[in-house]
Amino acid sequence: DTAVSQTPKYLVTQMGNDKSIKCEQNLGHDTMYWYKQDSKKFLKIMFSYNNKELIINETVPNRFSPKSPDKAHLNLHINSLELGDSAVYFCASGPSGYEQYFGPGTRLTVT
Amino acid sequence: QQQVKQSPQSLIVQKGGISIINCAYENTAFDYFPWYQQFPGKGPALLIAIRPDVSEKKEGRFTISFNKSAKQFSLHIMDSQPGDSATYFCAARYNFNKFYFGSGTKLNVKP
Repeated sequence: DTAVSQTPKYLVTQMGNDKSIKCEQNLGHDTMYWYKQDSKKFLKIMFSYNNKELIINETVPNRFSPKSPDKAHLNLHINSLELGDSAVYFCASGPSGYEQYFGPGTRLTVT
Repeated sequence: QQQVKQSPQSLIVQKGGISIINCAYENTAFDYFPWYQQFPGKGPALLIAIRPDVSEKKEGRFTISFNKSAKQFSLHIMDSQPGDSATYFCAARYNFNKFYFGSGTKLNVKP
């Protein structure tokens, strides 16, 4: 019974395309996050939502738009994909402010 | 600039040995310090966490040592096992929901 799930697991696309990554958690947590892990394994927070409300928006290009239709879902839409967007994107959830439970990641490759 | 500095970048330890990973920070507003373990192709998983009013926390073979005055904390893995081979991340929490991660340490435990 998966706690935090993401789809798709792999995403290969061309520059300029628009793509979405979906995330769902069944843990009943209030807070959800999106992180980007680059090729050097560095993990950087992108967004955080608490009860469907955006609470953290790091210096992320506005081509990235998160959407939280309900407390259990946080999707990430990316417009006009660039080569530098290639990374592994992790969704996470947690009781506000404490431990985070990460999804399996989505490996995005932009060619 | 990186908010949490982690070292070493990689570590090789013999089975049964002690693995030590260090992290340092500058922002005294950080108030919660978790450690995560990540296996290849998986999302990070919470290992152990500490608050700054505690100097040490132990869970099984994993111990966090925290030095508030020096603004440093470290993870000790006692009796390291090959199954502990993974990448380890320290993190620090700011403003209740924002987490900054260290750059990761790749641990290889030799049989």
